[in-house]
Amino acid sequence: DAKTTQPNSMESNEEEPVHLPCNHSTISGTDYIHWYRQLPSQGPEYVIHGLTSNVNNRMASLAIAEDRKSSTLILHRATLRDAAVYYCILNSQAGTALIFGKGTTLSVSS
Amino acid sequence: DAGVTQSPTHLIKTRGQQVTLRCSPKSGHDTVSWYQQALGQGPQFIFQYYEEEERQRGNFPDRFSGHQFPNYSSELNVNALLLGDSALYLCASSRPGKFNSPLHFGNGTRLTVT
Repeated sequence: DAKTTQPNSMESNEEEPVHLPCNHSTISGTDYIHWYRQLPSQGPEYVIHGLTSNVNNRMASLAIAEDRKSSTLILHRATLRDAAVYYCILNSQAGTALIFGKGTTLSVSS
Repeated sequence: DAGVTQSPTHLIKTRGQQVTLRCSPKSGHDTVSWYQQALGQGPQFIFQYYEEEERQRGNFPDRFSGHQFPNYSSELNVNALLLGDSALYLCASSRPGKFNSPLHFGNGTRLTVT
């Protein structure tokens, strides 16, 4: 699976939007983009995934660049509970393991 | 509906000993994956079980072995423990072959090797 590059850390204020970037310049045509997050003292939890089109769900939005070499996870209004490590992962074959990197640690201030 | 459950939550072992960690997948899931997470690092994939067989394996030595039972629950065994095996061990369950079925993780077992 292709590699992803994320900033080590980002900061945000409560109730402001947060844009978490992910670069994946070697992405293949069959790679899905997955986002998970890990709250302190918990296992990772699924956030969102997509292939080519932008995706929205109750937790976040995923914006995928037209050339698919980058994507952005958007939290529309950050809350203190959104402070977590966010992982961007590529996976090309259904059912195979997701390979995690170090992710982006998001801090949210009140 | 219970999610993924892992036991025990914490464990302390001595170097050279053996340990068994247990995982019950989310209801309706039949695939179990195990991950090791060292402090400050992302989860590292150990192996995945489906239909009671190891289907995929990460870069871990043979000291790490596993098993999946007919009810889809799973065990992770680590032999000849090293200090470096101290970590959070995470279990995740999923349905195979469906991108609409995300991984569901338990909260892990914290293993300390002294």
